[in-house]
Amino acid sequence: EDQVTQSPEALRLQEGESSSLNCSYTVSGLRGLFWYRQDPGKGPEFLFTLYSAGEEKEKERLKATLTKKESFLHITAPKPEDSATYLCAAQYGGSQGNLIFGKGTKLSVKP
Amino acid sequence: DGGITQSPKYLFRKEGQNVTLSCEQNLNHDAMYWYRQDPGQGLRLIYYSQIVNDFQKGDIAEGYSVSREKKESFPLTVTSAQKNPTAFYLCASSLNRDEKLFFGSGTQLSVL
Repeated sequence: EDQVTQSPEALRLQEGESSSLNCSYTVSGLRGLFWYRQDPGKGPEFLFTLYSAGEEKEKERLKATLTKKESFLHITAPKPEDSATYLCAAQYGGSQGNLIFGKGTKLSVKP
Repeated sequence: DGGITQSPKYLFRKEGQNVTLSCEQNLNHDAMYWYRQDPGQGLRLIYYSQIVNDFQKGDIAEGYSVSREKKESFPLTVTSAQKNPTAFYLCASSLNRDEKLFFGSGTQLSVL
């Protein structure tokens, strides 16, 4: 069964305490792995797309990496404004493509 | 600024009533989507459209209907057949099905 699993469900960090969020995927023919950020009561906002194992992308304090089985979102020296739910989604399959979302990791960064 | 506009922000439905959620985009995107988000669950696809006057069912289409008469607009109707409609509904668009999604700000639907 095609699925995407994110862990942990929730993560509490102190400001400046670096950590990583995990996104494990089991899909047939990965076409792309997406990361989104979602603030409470709002729609998700695109962060990164990764296409092949070994690929890395960075944006400010965030760095996304991809292996053949999982993706990590590394957060370096987080600030309270990084608090949000982070969603990953795997696009897979044939020409039409299918997209499956994980349940998200809720990150809280305390000052 | 280009983007996706959803309205209303909050919507209440009475039993047996159909309600329509609005979604408009000015990004000139061909593909548009409706997702449902429930607490503790991943986003689930209701319907998507890749071109005007054409749309396909997603994973949870039962009790919902859509139309795509204009490229910019993709309204979602939650019918009385949807017995558990309370959820956060998100509209999205993309250049095509392989590209990143741009989301609206969502509509919270509740049952009276």
